[in-house]
Amino acid sequence: GAVVSQHPSWVICKSGTSVKIECRSLDFQATTMFWYRQFPKQSLMLMATSNEGSKATYEQGVEKDKFLINHASLTLSTLTVTSAHPEDSSFYICSARDTDRAPATNEKLFFGSGTQLSVL
Amino acid sequence: GESVGLHLPTLSVQEGDNSIINCAYSNSASDYFIWYKQESGKGPQFIIDIRSNMDKRQGQRVTVLLNKTVKHLSLQIAATQPGDSAVYFCAENFAGGTSYGKLTFGQGTILTVHP
Repeated sequence: GAVVSQHPSWVICKSGTSVKIECRSLDFQATTMFWYRQFPKQSLMLMATSNEGSKATYEQGVEKDKFLINHASLTLSTLTVTSAHPEDSSFYICSARDTDRAPATNEKLFFGSGTQLSVL
Repeated sequence: GESVGLHLPTLSVQEGDNSIINCAYSNSASDYFIWYKQESGKGPQFIIDIRSNMDKRQGQRVTVLLNKTVKHLSLQIAATQPGDSAVYFCAENFAGGTSYGKLTFGQGTILTVHP
């Protein structure tokens, strides 16, 4: 089945540094990917929609200069947390949409395994 | 508005019992709903989905019920097993146009199954 790979699975960084998280669709092309953030014991909150070959669409309240998204190919989207601070510590999750999947298949949206970011 | 969870509700059941997890969704225009299971430190895992033109759908050991009148969704798990212990989220999507996949997640429920 379709798989979305997210890397790294966890990262610890110092305050003020930048961290890049990768989201790859392994056996399908994803023109659209989504980035979510999840704080402990809370729900997933959509941050932005990543569009291949164009600018990402950010949800209200999400700083585009803080969370840089690049979707340079049909299988890769990256999220860079710039000048990270402790309040950016969270679980970041991506998902990818497989638009080529057969209509009879209900599951067309696949999630990565998440990245736990800890900013010291 | 969005459904945002601050502290997740919990449900404790005995192994073999049936579990019912409820969810209230926010957007009356949503036409596609999904239940996910999330284990600690992992991404969401698809369980079952339902479109708004249906009110019930069954899978293996799971049933999803949709009540559009009151914007309510439920997940029923039959013969719950310890491996079912996880956090369960409902998610809604307005699938019109190109927004498919842009999900709004419910607050989630922690399911604990005791042997």
